[in-house]
Amino acid sequence: AQTVTQSQPEMSVQEAETVTLSCTYDTSENNYYLFWYKQPPSRQMILVIRQEAYKQQNATENRFSVNFQKAAKSFSLKISDSQLGDTAMYFCAFMKPHSGTYKYIFGTGTRLKVLA
Amino acid sequence: DAGITQSPRYKITETGRQVTLMCHQTWSHSYMFWYRQDLGHGLRLIYYSAAADITDKGEVPDGYVVSRSKTENFPLTLESATRSQTSVYFCASSEPRTSNSYEQYFGPGTRLTVT
Repeated sequence: AQTVTQSQPEMSVQEAETVTLSCTYDTSENNYYLFWYKQPPSRQMILVIRQEAYKQQNATENRFSVNFQKAAKSFSLKISDSQLGDTAMYFCAFMKPHSGTYKYIFGTGTRLKVLA
Repeated sequence: DAGITQSPRYKITETGRQVTLMCHQTWSHSYMFWYRQDLGHGLRLIYYSAAADITDKGEVPDGYVVSRSKTENFPLTLESATRSQTSVYFCASSEPRTSNSYEQYFGPGTRLTVT
């Protein structure tokens, strides 16, 4: 069974600095998808970035980028120029399209606080 | 309202009572999911549905019942609530067959407290 591990329960970063959140996963599959979701204090889950395992190029979305290391089964999220609005819980998720199921497996989350 | 909504947003109930959490989406997405969020566990899948009248268990289905008579609705019922079911519940939907993004869209959550 697949598992997702986020080893940093809490992190903090100064405004305008860069922070990296780590995520590792365990799978024997070759084709899968990885996601980072953000959950601000409002509780609303928002997709930050997505990576297809068959793509070697790391995904980027404005200030958010990932470092995808398929062999190491690592999927870290880098937030550049951190803003106060980035304060949130961040969840890493794994999904393998299989037999018509599209279930996510989530990590336990990292609480990020951006300091003014 | 467009999107995915959940009701109620907050609910307090007593042990042993039946409670139903509602989820409604306006996109006609085929897939819908129920998760619970607990400190130290992240989000865990309770049940999911691939289409109307098709449902299947997730990781933590015990004590929960779902139905999906219409594509847009996916209610979650706790038949006899227990304190261990105190949690925040999220509903999500997606349309993986026509979208290669596999993004799930989440509702705002329901905070349930069982006393």
